[in-house]
Amino acid sequence: NFMLTQPHSVSESPGKTVTISCTRSSGSIASNYVQWYQQRPGSSPTTVIYEDNQRPSGVPDRFSGSIDSSSNSASLTISGLKTEDEADYYCQSYDSSICVFGGGTKLTVL
Amino acid sequence: EVQLVESGGGLVQPGRSLRLSCTASGFTFGDYAMSWVRQAPGKGLEWVGFIRSKAYGGTTEYAASVKGRFTISRDDSKSIAYLQMNSLKTEDTAVYYCTRPRRDGYTPRPDYWGQGTLVTVSS
Repeated sequence: NFMLTQPHSVSESPGKTVTISCTRSSGSIASNYVQWYQQRPGSSPTTVIYEDNQRPSGVPDRFSGSIDSSSNSASLTISGLKTEDEADYYCQSYDSSICVFGGGTKLTVL
Repeated sequence: EVQLVESGGGLVQPGRSLRLSCTASGFTFGDYAMSWVRQAPGKGLEWVGFIRSKAYGGTTEYAASVKGRFTISRDDSKSIAYLQMNSLKTEDTAVYYCTRPRRDGYTPRPDYWGQGTLVTVSS
């Protein structure tokens, strides 16, 4: 099985752009889709990116996802930061029989 | 609209059992795999296990931490997925979420989430 490693926390100012990384420990990042979830305090997670770079309806285009095979990692980029983006963000990937989550990144917008 | 509603959580003593339910609506339940994900207080998300749709044999897979103690089942006629938890440990204390993938009956990918139900294992 593989692991997904995220930074514990990131912070940035409103209006700026932030990128959260998610590095896969073994196997290719491109071999299975990566999803990203936002979780605000006291709420259930919601999907902000699926299948590496797809946005569900209702998610603003300020959110984007990508993968980089050279670093074996995925990234979530949020541009034009708003205070409402402050939350925990989790990456996730899976194969046919297991699902793996990253440890989560706390985004502070200050 | 996809809706997933968990129920059955509560306070239970170590070593005892508890069964959670996930009642689904807004889609054809039998077409999709269903997963359970948990989150211990102040911690991250942990995948528990999932059950494939009947089209893929209705087979199950589990995380190593719960294998042999937890069992996932489904009743497609009632649109309910179950999580039977036996031999509960204090470290099983968590909010348990029911999830569904976007489009298939085979993979454990969470795309849609319920509101969660809290299980507290304590004497």
